[in-house]
Amino acid sequence: IAGITQAPTSQILAAGRRMTLRCTQDMRHNAMYWYRQDLGLGLRLIHYSNTAGTTGKGEVPDGYSVSRANTDDFPLTLASAVPSQTSVYFCASSAESGGYNEQFFGPGTRLTVL
Amino acid sequence: GQNIDQPTEMTATEGAIVQINCTYQTSGFNGLFWYQQHAGEAPTFLSYNVLDGLEEKGRFSSFLSRSKGYSYLLLKELQMKDSASYLCAVRDSNYQLIWGAGTKLIIKP
Repeated sequence: IAGITQAPTSQILAAGRRMTLRCTQDMRHNAMYWYRQDLGLGLRLIHYSNTAGTTGKGEVPDGYSVSRANTDDFPLTLASAVPSQTSVYFCASSAESGGYNEQFFGPGTRLTVL
Repeated sequence: GQNIDQPTEMTATEGAIVQINCTYQTSGFNGLFWYQQHAGEAPTFLSYNVLDGLEEKGRFSSFLSRSKGYSYLLLKELQMKDSASYLCAVRDSNYQLIWGAGTKLIIKP
C-alpha cells in the first residue's frame, strides 16, 4: 500500500441498503477526512477525524457515520442509502489538521443509489 | 455564509500563460490551497499560501492578498497535460477546508 486506498472503486446500490466505504492510509497521518464531490459543487466535507479515537461532523453529515478505531482506517457508513447520496466520495488524510499540512486524497469511490 | 468563487471554465493555448482567480469569504483564514484534478482522478496538491505575496514553484505560481480575499494561480508555458480542473480551498477558523467548485482549464494546441 502506498498512500491512501479506497474500496470499492464504484458501486451501484439500491435505496434503503446499508453501505460502508472503506479508506486506509499507510502514511501514519493523524487527520482523516471524507468528502463528497458533485458536479458543479466544490468538495463538501462529510466527517473528519483529527486523531484516532475522535471524529467530528463536517458540512453535510446527515445520513452518514464514521469511526476511527485506529490511525490507518476511516470507514464511512451510509445507514440507509437514498438517491441524493449518489456522488463521488473521496477520503483524504493529512499529517495534522492545521498549519502547512496538505491533504492527500484517495482515488475515490463512485456511488450510485437507485 | 462561507463562499469561494472561481470561474467555471477557461480556455488557453499551449505555450501561453493563464491566470485563474479565486475570491473568498470565510469565517476566519488559516491558509489557502490550490489543487489540480484531472478528469476522473483525485485532487493533487499544488500550492499553499498563508502570507500575502507570491509563491513560485516551477511553472506554477500562486498569489494571495488577505485584505482583498483574493488569490490567483498562474500557470506558465502551458502544456496539454495541464488540462484539468483547478480547485481553490481556504482553511477556515475551524481548520476545515472550504472548497470552490473548481475551474476547468482547457488547453488548445
